[in-house]
Amino acid sequence: GQNIDQPTEMTATEGAIVQINCTYQTSGFNGLFWYQQHAGEAPTFLSYNVLDGLEEKGRFSSFLSRSKGYSYLLLKELQMKDSASYLCAVSPSNDYKLSFGAGTTVTVRA
Amino acid sequence: DGGITQSPKYLFRKEGQNVTLSCEQNLNHDAMYWYRQDPGQGLRLIYYSQIVNDFQKGDIAEGYSVSREKKESFPLTVTSAQKNPTAFYLCASSLRDWGEKLFFGSGTQLSVL
Repeated sequence: GQNIDQPTEMTATEGAIVQINCTYQTSGFNGLFWYQQHAGEAPTFLSYNVLDGLEEKGRFSSFLSRSKGYSYLLLKELQMKDSASYLCAVSPSNDYKLSFGAGTTVTVRA
Repeated sequence: DGGITQSPKYLFRKEGQNVTLSCEQNLNHDAMYWYRQDPGQGLRLIYYSQIVNDFQKGDIAEGYSVSREKKESFPLTVTSAQKNPTAFYLCASSLRDWGEKLFFGSGTQLSVL
C-alpha cells in the first residue's frame, strides 16, 4: 500500500514562516503534489515536484528529496488568508491512483 | 470560463433512499474522479473514469455507483447500501491520467436525516 504522512496541525503568526513536512512510502514515484483547501471548499493546486530540489512560486515553495521520500511546503510572509488545510499527494505512476495524506491544518494568528 | 461544477452544495438523505450527486466539467478532460472526505482523514477514492463508458472502483466503492455516458458528466449515486454516507464529496478531473494535477469541484456535503 501507499503511505503518506504529514502533521495534523500547525499554528504560526502573521508574517512568519511555516514549513509543512510530508513523508511518503509508495510503490514507485511519478510526482508529488501540494493542494490548499479552505474549510468547506475545493482543494486548489499549489505545486508539483517530480525532480529533487526546490520549486519557488511567490510566497510558496516546495522541496522534494526522492531518495529520502520527503517533501516540504514552505509558506513565507504568512497572511490570515493562508489559514487552510494543506494536502500532500503522491502519484506512484501514470497508471496508478494518487495517494493523499490526511492534510495539515495551518492556523495563522494575528 | 472552464471549470468543474458540482451540485447540489448540500444534500440530505433519508434512510433507505438513493441520492445522486452531479458533476459536470467543460475542461475537455478525459479523466474524472469521485473522492470522499471525512474529518481528519485524507481524500479517499470512490470511483474513477479515464474514458467515456468505462469506470473503475476505487478504495471505497461499496454502496456507491457511477456512470460515464458523456465525457463532460460523471454523476455519483449514493445508494441505501452505504450505511455511513455523511461526508463531503469531491469530484475532480484531469487531462488524461494520474500523473497530472487535479481540478476539483466545490464539493457536496451529504448528511443523513
